[in-house]
Amino acid sequence: DAMVIQNPRYQVTQFGKPVTLSCSQTLNHNVMYWYQQKSSQAPKLLFHYYDKDFNNEADTPDNFQSRRPNTSFCFLDIRSPGLGDAAMYLCATSRDQSSGTLKQFFGPGTRLTVL
Amino acid sequence: AQTVTQSQPEMSVQEAETVTLSCTYDTSESDYYLFWYKQPPSRQMILVIRQEAYKQQNATENRFSVNFQKAAKSFSLKISDSQLGDAAMYFCAYRSVNNDMRFGAGTRLTVKP
Repeated sequence: DAMVIQNPRYQVTQFGKPVTLSCSQTLNHNVMYWYQQKSSQAPKLLFHYYDKDFNNEADTPDNFQSRRPNTSFCFLDIRSPGLGDAAMYLCATSRDQSSGTLKQFFGPGTRLTVL
Repeated sequence: AQTVTQSQPEMSVQEAETVTLSCTYDTSESDYYLFWYKQPPSRQMILVIRQEAYKQQNATENRFSVNFQKAAKSFSLKISDSQLGDAAMYFCAYRSVNNDMRFGAGTRLTVKP
C-alpha cells in the first residue's frame, strides 16, 4: 500500500515557468519534509513542517516555497525554475520524536527537468 | 549546524563477506538520532537501521549492525553475509530533536558475485 505518494513522478518545465510538486501521505504523520537530490549526491533538506509550523533551511533559495493545507498534503512550489533546479525532489514523513517512532518514510520522488 | 561525513565515496565487497561503512558527525547536541538509509539505483530511499543517541547498546537488524561511538561521534554500519541485493548507495543521516535532518554524501556499495 502506498504510504507517501508523490505526483507527478516526472515533471518537465521550462526555464522560469512556475511548477508545483505534490506529496500526500496516508500515515497521519505530523512531520513532512522536502529534499532536493541531485545526481549522485546526498538529499539536501529544503524545509520541513511540524504540523503547521514551517521550518525553512537557512540556505534554501527564496525561489522555493511550500504549502501544507492539511496533515495529508504538502506542496513544493518553484516560482522561477532555473537549470540548476533540475533534480529529484523527495518528500518524506515521520512522527515527531516524542512519539518514540523515528522511522522516516520516503516517497518515490519527482524528477524535475528544466528546459 | 550539524554535519555528517562519509569518507568513503565507494566501497566494494565480495558476496557473503562483511563490509563496514564509515560515518562521522559533528554536533553540540546531546540528544539526537542516527540512521542509515539505502537507496538502490532509481529506487526509493529505505531505512536500514536507526540508533537513539541515549542508548548505549548498538542497534542490530538481521545482517545489519552499527558501531555507535558517541564520544567519538562515529556511527559505522556493518553488513554481514553481503548479498547482491545490498548493492546501493548508503546514506548516513542525523536527526536532531527538532526534526531537522542532515545526510552524509553517501557511499556507493558494490557487491561482487
